[in-house]
Parts: sequence; structure tokens; C-alpha cells
Amino acid sequence: DTGVSQNPRHKITKRGQNVTFRCDPISEHNRLYWYRQTLGQGPEFLTYFQNEAQLEKSRLLSDRFSAERPKGSFSTLEIQRTEQGDSAMYLCASSPLQTGIPGTGELFFGEGSRLTVL
Amino acid sequence: AQRVTQPEKLLSVFKGAPVELKCNYSYSGSPELFWYVQYSRQRLQLLLRHISRESIKGFTADLNKGETSFHLKKPFAQEEDSAMYYCALRAKMIYNQGGKLIFGQGTELSVKP
Repeated sequence: DTGVSQNPRHKITKRGQNVTFRCDPISEHNRLYWYRQTLGQGPEFLTYFQNEAQLEKSRLLSDRFSAERPKGSFSTLEIQRTEQGDSAMYLCASSPLQTGIPGTGELFFGEGSRLTVL
Repeated sequence: AQRVTQPEKLLSVFKGAPVELKCNYSYSGSPELFWYVQYSRQRLQLLLRHISRESIKGFTADLNKGETSFHLKKPFAQEEDSAMYYCALRAKMIYNQGGKLIFGQGTELSVKP
């Protein structure tokens, strides 16, 4: 399977613990995105990378959240001191760098990592 | 601020009936609009994009800048169309800006036999 891969698929943790999610994008894709989705809501943008550079981070994102993409390939999303409100599905997506043609930058999503904070 | 609104959480129709899933957006610039779909137990995937002006699986969507809408339509719904549908907006790309998609809340389409 050459699609976007996310691990772990499910994580149950206690409040106050740290968790880390990993995303492996499609190999030739320059851009990598993290989204969060709660029940009944659409995906909410968290942050995105172009190669190893983090280009944008949501202003709604707590400083307990940090994401990295050190070599421009896989990415990790760490949540420190988890809270019950962090319970959600964390989605990763990747896309090739747009070639200047508007609208062609399709995002390819992973299956997500579901976090439950007890 | 960029915002996408899908006013209906659930749309239920019978097989063969026309379908229209509504999407309105708020953005001061020139947007790029998309529809993404998530079938049961599958990952989120692109259905169609406004720039392509294409019909995918019988679905079409027209960008109406005057009404700031991008409604998704299909003349005859099929049971296999049952899924979650998300409208999404991207700010027009300027060097190293834009890129992210802003999603609406989603509409669940249920097509009954």
C-alpha cells in the first residue's frame, strides 16, 4: 500500500500523559498536513509542512501540540500533558507541490489516529 | 477569515431522487473549492474540484461567486452514494501561502432503497 500511513491507529491514554503520532506520507509528496476531527465536525486544520519547513500552524493550536518533519519525509505530532478535550481523530494528509495550476493540489488522507484521553 | 458552511448535517433521499448538498463559503479573495467524500470505513478522498468543471460519479458542482456557494448536485441518487460529504476551501496560492484546506462540518447523505 503506497498511501498515507498513520500509526498508531488507536491510542488510549490517561490525562496528563504525552502521546506521539506518526505519519508516513506518499513518498514523492512535498506537503504534509495535520488535521483534527471530532465527532460531527469536519477536519480542523492544525499545521502543515513543505518538505521539512513548517509553513503554518493554527492559532487555535495549544502550545502543548508540536509537530516535526525532520527530514522532509515522515512527520510526528506530539501532544504533551493530554487533556480530555484532546480526544479526537488525528488525520494526516499529503500532497504534491502544486505546479501553479490552481486547484490541482489534491490532499491524500491517511486513515487517522484515534486518541482517547481518560 | 475563511469559512465553509454546510447547513445540513443529514440529508436523506430515496434512490433515484435528485440530490443537492449545500455549501456556502466566506472568503474575500478568489477561492479554490473542493468536495471530499468519506464512505463507510474508508479514508477521506477527493470527489471533485471546481477548477476541473468535471462530473464524477454523476456529481457536479458549480462555483457561484455571487452567492458564494458551491453546491453539490446529482440528478439521480444511488444507494452507493451514501457517505459523508465535506466541502472545502483553499485560499488562492501565493508564494508559500495558502495550501491548507478549510473544511465544512460535513453532510451525511443517506440514500434509501
